[in-house]
Amino acid sequence: RKEVEQDPGPFNVPEGATVAFNCTYSNSASQSFFWYRQDCRKEPKLLMSVYSSGNEDGRFTAQLNRASQYISLLIRDSKLSDSATYLCVAGGAGGSYIPTFGRGTSLIVHP
Amino acid sequence: NAGVTQTPKFQVLKTGQSMTLQCAQDMNHNSMYWYRQDPGMGLRLIYYSASEGTTDKGEVPNGYNVSRLNKREFSLRLESAAPSQTSVYFCASSGGETKPQHFGDGTRLSIL
Repeated sequence: RKEVEQDPGPFNVPEGATVAFNCTYSNSASQSFFWYRQDCRKEPKLLMSVYSSGNEDGRFTAQLNRASQYISLLIRDSKLSDSATYLCVAGGAGGSYIPTFGRGTSLIVHP
Repeated sequence: NAGVTQTPKFQVLKTGQSMTLQCAQDMNHNSMYWYRQDPGMGLRLIYYSASEGTTDKGEVPNGYNVSRLNKREFSLRLESAAPSQTSVYFCASSGGETKPQHFGDGTRLSIL
């Protein structure tokens, strides 16, 4: 039973495009949400936390919809360097120390 | 600020050999984790330590042992390596149950 679901992609987009990823989580008691970026054969790196009111960091916008139990990531003006796998994470349910990672969505930005 | 440091970065073992993967963090985090990641698959939790002095099994603990040596260090031991344990191993630490994890840059382990 997978608790965090993501479309694996790949999403192929041209430079400058806007792309959005969604992720659903099954545990309604989840308290914390994050997006990570993982480059091929490298470690996951924290991209941004996701707050209930939504939050933005430069070209990246994250949204949380608790009623529907999904998290989204919007990337505007895509760069070649945005090509990576994006991991969605939900955690903190019931005081659990174990976050649940999705398997990731692959993004390929082409010239 | 080094963050999470893993050693070694690469290792080749023969079936049946043992080895210990080391992990240290300098962020004063209470919680530490060991994951493995296989090609085309997500992260799978092997063991974790919510705080110094405690360790618990994750999703795939068989064939592994861990030691939380102190607040900074969390090691992973393979007692008798098997080819199925060929993988990339990541150590992570976190400041609490609702805080994000920070990862080391991984150990690439091949078992022949």
